[in-house]
Amino acid sequence: NAGVMQNPRHLVRRRGQEARLRCSPMKGHSHVYWYRQLPEEGLKFMVYLQKENIIDESGMPKERFSAEFPKEGPSILRIQQVVRGDSAAYFCASSPTGGAWKQPQHFGDGTRLSIL
Amino acid sequence: DAKTTQPNSMESNEEEPVHLPCNHSTISGTDYIHWYRQLPSQGPEYVIHGLTSNVNNRMASLAIAEDRKSSTLILHRATLRDAAVYYCILYSGGSNYKLTFGKGTLLTVNP
Repeated sequence: NAGVMQNPRHLVRRRGQEARLRCSPMKGHSHVYWYRQLPEEGLKFMVYLQKENIIDESGMPKERFSAEFPKEGPSILRIQQVVRGDSAAYFCASSPTGGAWKQPQHFGDGTRLSIL
Repeated sequence: DAKTTQPNSMESNEEEPVHLPCNHSTISGTDYIHWYRQLPSQGPEYVIHGLTSNVNNRMASLAIAEDRKSSTLILHRATLRDAAVYYCILYSGGSNYKLTFGKGTLLTVNP
């Protein structure tokens, strides 16, 4: 299966710890998007990255959240000093180019983050 | 972003056709209409998209009204695996890489 791979599928952290979520895009895709789905809500855009560049992070909370997509390796969404409100499903998507209005984004099955 | 309106829920029987409506009366001339679905405990899955003409693929058909103010996703023969939340999404303006998900339509398929 050459789809978008996210790991871990489930992550449990205590308040104040750090959470690292990984996303490997589909082969040949250099554009990555992160979305968050809070319980009983729709998916919300967080950040859009190309290799080594953050293109749009307008949906990211101002503090504690960061994202990267290095030249080698997966994209990482990092949440520092987690709080209970960070409990959510985090989805990563990828596309071959950034003109997404003409082509689909391919999603992974998400990381479900639970904060104790 | 142009808004879409979908029914909260719909119900269908297995092996019958399903027509999922979407209203987008403020659609602009350059907006593409995309449909995604999300099965339980999975990420969203692309279904189909179009601009002006009706579109068909192996999963579904998309019928777009002549004035483009509404569209209908057609599942020709619903299966239990089609039970999901279906999202109708438009792209508009400069944020043409963000998918803006609404609440979608929860489709229940009865055996």
